[in-house]
Amino acid sequence: AQTVTQSQPEMSVQEAETVTLSCTYDTSENNYYLFWYKQPPSRQMILVIRQEAYKQQNATENRFSVNFQKAAKSFSLKISDSQLGDTAMYFCAFMGRDQVHSGYALNFGKGTSLLVTP
Amino acid sequence: DAGVIQSPRHEVTEMGQEVTLRCKPISGHDYLFWYRQTMMRGLELLIYFNNNVPIDDSGMPEDRFSAKMPNASFSTLKIQPSEPRDSAVYFCASREGHLYEQYFGPGTRLTVT
Repeated sequence: AQTVTQSQPEMSVQEAETVTLSCTYDTSENNYYLFWYKQPPSRQMILVIRQEAYKQQNATENRFSVNFQKAAKSFSLKISDSQLGDTAMYFCAFMGRDQVHSGYALNFGKGTSLLVTP
Repeated sequence: DAGVIQSPRHEVTEMGQEVTLRCKPISGHDYLFWYRQTMMRGLELLIYFNNNVPIDDSGMPEDRFSAKMPNASFSTLKIQPSEPRDSAVYFCASREGHLYEQYFGPGTRLTVT
């Protein structure tokens, strides 16, 4: 079974600064997807960014980027120019591509609560 | 598209009562997932369906929980009898085929007193 670990339960950053959220995972699969989801107080789950394991290039979506280290099984999220609206829980998630072993379901970490302060 | 629709958004019930949560996936999506979110356990998969057929229900906590998908546009998660430890937010999500992105509903916050 895959496990996803987020070692930072809470983080705080000032507006306009940069913050990095950590995530590590454990899998025996070679082909998979990794995601970061954002959950604001409204509790809606919003996909922030995804990374395919076979791609060496790190994914980027506007102010959000990842540092994907496949050998180290590490997948961190960097938020640049933090905004007050970035305040939320952030979940790292793993999805295998082997339906027999993972079923295409998401395995989530426990989340990191990010607070952006003025 | 209206996205994944869940009802009710909030449910408060007494211990021992039956609770039914409902989900309408996005039209055309052939995978449907039920997740539960608690402070202690985080987000965990309960069950998922492919083409209305339950594929993996190993995450269902116990026999008090059951899920059905009678057609491509509707699924239910039932708890009978409910217990206080079932209090959580229950999410439904759907996905199209082999595409990676799951679309989540707004969740149902269940409180069992």
